[in-house]
Amino acid sequence: LAKTTQPISMDSYEGQEVNITCSHNNIATNDYITWYQQFPSQGPRFIIQGYKTKVTNEVASLFIPADRKSSTLSLPRVSLSDTAVYYCLVGDRKNRDDKIIFGKGTRLHILP
Amino acid sequence: DAMVIQNPRYQVTQFGKPVTLSCSQTLNHNVMYWYQQKSSQAPKLLFHYYDKDFNNEADTPDNFQSRRPNTSFCFLDIRSPGLGDAAMYLCATSIPGGRLHEQFFGPGTRLTVL
Repeated sequence: LAKTTQPISMDSYEGQEVNITCSHNNIATNDYITWYQQFPSQGPRFIIQGYKTKVTNEVASLFIPADRKSSTLSLPRVSLSDTAVYYCLVGDRKNRDDKIIFGKGTRLHILP
Repeated sequence: DAMVIQNPRYQVTQFGKPVTLSCSQTLNHNVMYWYQQKSSQAPKLLFHYYDKDFNNEADTPDNFQSRRPNTSFCFLDIRSPGLGDAAMYLCATSIPGGRLHEQFFGPGTRLTVL
């Protein structure tokens, strides 16, 4: 997996849009970008994945510029329940086991 | 609903007393993983099974063992827990050929060592 760099923590307020950027300067041609969300005292949850441009689902949007050296997870109109740790992963399927290695993640704290 | 179940959710053991954590899944996934997550840290992969093939991470202490008697169940055995083994233990599954890097996690078992 390519090395990733994310902010250690972020604070925001309810109703705001939150953008968390992940740097991955050494991303390889076949690598995909994946984000996980982990609520306190729960296991991580896959939330979104992309290769280039923009991906949107019911949880978040993922913006990937043309050079793919970074990506931005966008959470629209956050609520208190979006308080969680968000992990950015970058990699390709190297083998059948599809191991993932979590980086430090970004601890997002939503304030009322 | 198909899911990954971990029991118990909270486990207390004594220093040096063997403990077993269990994980079961109704997803029928081939791959099962065990992670250790200490407070304010990222999950750390301990080992995983592809069907019955066991794969240990290089830095997983020998104190940690695992068993997978069938597709549905996987156990984590800690032979002689130390204070440093207090953590959340997470079980996850995935399906070969499924979405890249998509794993399905259980709620975890929080282990306390007294």
